[in-house]
Amino acid sequence: KQEVTQIPAALSVPEGENLVLNCSFTDSAIYNLQWFRQDPGKGLTSLLLIQSSQREQTSGRLNASLDKSSGRSTLYIAASQPGDSATYLCAVRTQGAQKLVFGQGTRLTINP
Amino acid sequence: GAVVSQHPSRVICKSGTSVKIECRSLDFQATTMFWYRQFPKQSLMLMATSNEGSKATYEQGVEKDKFLINHASLTLSTLTVTSAHPEDSSFYICSATLPAGGTYNEQFFGPGTRLTVL
Repeated sequence: KQEVTQIPAALSVPEGENLVLNCSFTDSAIYNLQWFRQDPGKGLTSLLLIQSSQREQTSGRLNASLDKSSGRSTLYIAASQPGDSATYLCAVRTQGAQKLVFGQGTRLTINP
Repeated sequence: GAVVSQHPSRVICKSGTSVKIECRSLDFQATTMFWYRQFPKQSLMLMATSNEGSKATYEQGVEKDKFLINHASLTLSTLTVTSAHPEDSSFYICSATLPAGGTYNEQFFGPGTRLTVL
């Protein structure tokens, strides 16, 4: 059974800092991994999707890496801004399965 | 592209009543939709996988007679919470995938529906 863990559960940093959010998964036989952003009371916004054959994906100030063998992914946010404050969720789709398994999320606060 | 909508965005109902939530893929056909629920400050938990024209597949522990799912068309899936009780109060989110060559890729999520049962 796939399990996804995100560390830390919460993170508060001053504006302008670069930061890394971590995601680990127990079954390395994955199809893809997605990073999402969720604002309070809102749905999910997909940030980056990494296929199992890829090592990283970049979108603007965001960079996500994937190391299947170690069961880890990181989301790197450069030059953080107060608007980046949200909960970031990592989700994994295992080979042969349709569903996504989510981590508990990291609640990020960027202080002006 | 790949927009998913949900209706209503917020609903308050009395205990014992039934509530229907709609999930629509606006600009694509979704052969598979997923229903999740999220409790406050917790992550998303998959409730069921809905395939167009067939019965939904429910996750372990989810009562299929309580949470009725219908996926009657390629753009619409509905979740009906029957005889709702306060413990059913939650944030319900649907998602849909773009089928590509028979495999399933990125999931696109709706904005969610906040259900409050009094």
